[in-house]
Amino acid sequence: DGGITQSPKYLFRKEGQNVTLSCEQNLNHDAMYWYRQDPGQGLRLIYYSQIVNDFQKGDIAEGYSVSREKKESFPLTVTSAQKNPTAFYLCATTNRDRGPLRSGANVLTFGAGSRLTVL
Amino acid sequence: DQQVKQNSPSLSVQEGRISILNCDYTNSMFDYFLWYKKYPAEGPTFLISISSIKDKNEDGRFTVFLNKSAKHLSLHIVPSQPGDSAVYFCAAHGEYRNKLVFGAGTILRVKS
Repeated sequence: DGGITQSPKYLFRKEGQNVTLSCEQNLNHDAMYWYRQDPGQGLRLIYYSQIVNDFQKGDIAEGYSVSREKKESFPLTVTSAQKNPTAFYLCATTNRDRGPLRSGANVLTFGAGSRLTVL
Repeated sequence: DQQVKQNSPSLSVQEGRISILNCDYTNSMFDYFLWYKKYPAEGPTFLISISSIKDKNEDGRFTVFLNKSAKHLSLHIVPSQPGDSAVYFCAAHGEYRNKLVFGAGTILRVKS
């Protein structure tokens, strides 16, 4: 049963604490992404990774960090430097990410998300 | 700087009628447009896409229309069903395929 597993589903954090959100996939997809969703706003890209041991900042990377040590895993750490971390975090994957080659729409598959609340 | 805009926060439609969700964009370099559907506390699921070289793409009850000169696209759902009630996101990307840009979403409520 292929898919993307995000954990935990709900997480509470005190201010000043770092927290790591897990994203594991068994789709054998090459590229992985982290998005953040806030009410009334679209999904915004935090970080993405096209291959193992490589990742790039998205539009709102400040206060976040990632690693890509294995193809299947792309954990996101929300650090204490993130000013407004309360949000719904979504991990996504795609196997059509081949840079500028125009081979169709880049269709992302999303996990179920993790809701982080800072108390 | 919102490159993809969904100006209607919500839409209410009677079951069996047509739902029309609209999306405007500002970046003329976008070459693919996608629609996603999202239920509460779940991740978005892909619905349908369209290339910038086409003006229509159809998949079952879902049709997407693209008007490049107006930088506007729309998703038509016919007939609408109560299970279609969800948030619909419009998204687009250009040459930099990693940079999928999303609109703010439109909440669709289909009344039975």
